[in-house]
Amino acid sequence: GIQVEQSPPDLILQEGANSTLRCNFSDSVNNLQWFHQNPWGQLINLFYIPSGTKQNGRLSATTVATERYSLLYISSSQTTDSGVYFCARNNDMRFGAGTRLTVKP
Amino acid sequence: DTEVTQTPKHLVMGMTNKKSLKCEQHMGHRAMYWYKQKAKKPPELMFVYSYEKLSINESVPSRFSPECPNSSLLNLHLHALQPEDSALYLCASSQVYGGGSYEQYFGPGTRLTVT
Repeated sequence: GIQVEQSPPDLILQEGANSTLRCNFSDSVNNLQWFHQNPWGQLINLFYIPSGTKQNGRLSATTVATERYSLLYISSSQTTDSGVYFCARNNDMRFGAGTRLTVKP
Repeated sequence: DTEVTQTPKHLVMGMTNKKSLKCEQHMGHRAMYWYKQKAKKPPELMFVYSYEKLSINESVPSRFSPECPNSSLLNLHLHALQPEDSALYLCASSQVYGGGSYEQYFGPGTRLTVT
């Protein structure tokens, strides 16, 4: 079946550090979303990004559809960035396993 | 307004009970979805409704029965559940389903415990 792989599975950062999360697909991607799931379970939309680069404050995302991957950049991380980050392929809403981010003060 | 609401927030039910989860959106979206999420796992798609018709059923057991009374509402009727059905149930909506695919918006979820 179609695979959506995220790396790293876990990430611990000191507040203020930068990080890059990766999402790889085994098949083509019509469209892709990045989500942040907070400790209460709410999935928050970060980016809807079929290709190219988008930025929103300290976050940015880049999708290279021809190479079947997407990257999420977090700069100057804050403790409130902690949680699980998911990418999902919108063709069939298949989620990756997620990256669990912990930002320490 | 990009809000999807779900009720109740928490639900505890016995294996012989019948209960319903509710989801509502007022974004004019014509596609609505149910997902199940177990602890430390990603959400898994259960059902997709497109224009109030069931389009996708991901081989979900019949003890879960979805219903879409109108374009704004989505219900999930629960009957004779098992303890392993305990999970976070998420509802989502998008403008339409299929084709080029569209951005999904998620509700806060219902945390279900089956005793």
